[in-house]
Amino acid sequence: SQQGEEDPQALSIQEGENATMNCSYKTSINNLQWYRQNSGRGLVHLILIRSNEREKHSGRLRVTLDTSKKSSSLLITASRAADTASYFCATDFNTPLVFGKGTRLSVIA
Amino acid sequence: EAEVAQSPRYKITEKSQAVAFWCDPISGHATLYWYRQILGQGPELLVQFQDESVVDDSQLPKDRFSAERLKGVDSTLKIQPAELGDSAMYLCASSSRGETQYFGPGTRLLVL
Repeated sequence: SQQGEEDPQALSIQEGENATMNCSYKTSINNLQWYRQNSGRGLVHLILIRSNEREKHSGRLRVTLDTSKKSSSLLITASRAADTASYFCATDFNTPLVFGKGTRLSVIA
Repeated sequence: EAEVAQSPRYKITEKSQAVAFWCDPISGHATLYWYRQILGQGPELLVQFQDESVVDDSQLPKDRFSAERLKGVDSTLKIQPAELGDSAMYLCASSSRGETQYFGPGTRLLVL
């Protein structure tokens, strides 16, 4: 069964705009990770945020974590056509990673 | 940059046939994972190895699926017999410390 649920399921924006994706989960976590998957390819790790962290940055990515609400958000700033992909959150709590269903992001040039 | 290798990239088979997928993890990565990803869904763990030992295979349909990592390096996932519902992407990943996972390109299986 899948723990995380990403929202929205699909998102379409213009190049240069910011994209925000949300992830909600059900149980306690040690870490929450975000991965990207280009169509028909494997997943690429983007960022890991630990349960005692509230915000983390990596380049154009900003991740927040609210453990009281059991939710996380991924912000991609100044989006590019190459950001078009599916984005998954994954959680773990002394267990293997459990992935959500993903958000499909389309960035239109 | 080191990558996880998988083969074949695509496989078409008829139901009731046997299929096998191969994965070569990043050198030095002790943990290896096999996932199944149905179109439009996130990956779901089938089996996790630590070196040559199975750590978690609770979601592996053991009546038809088997996985091995005999020397603690590369791994093979087998399905026998294949069923129509097995059509999916099969992903292999590896990690060194159990947090960040590095994924291979996957094998897309179509069962006719």
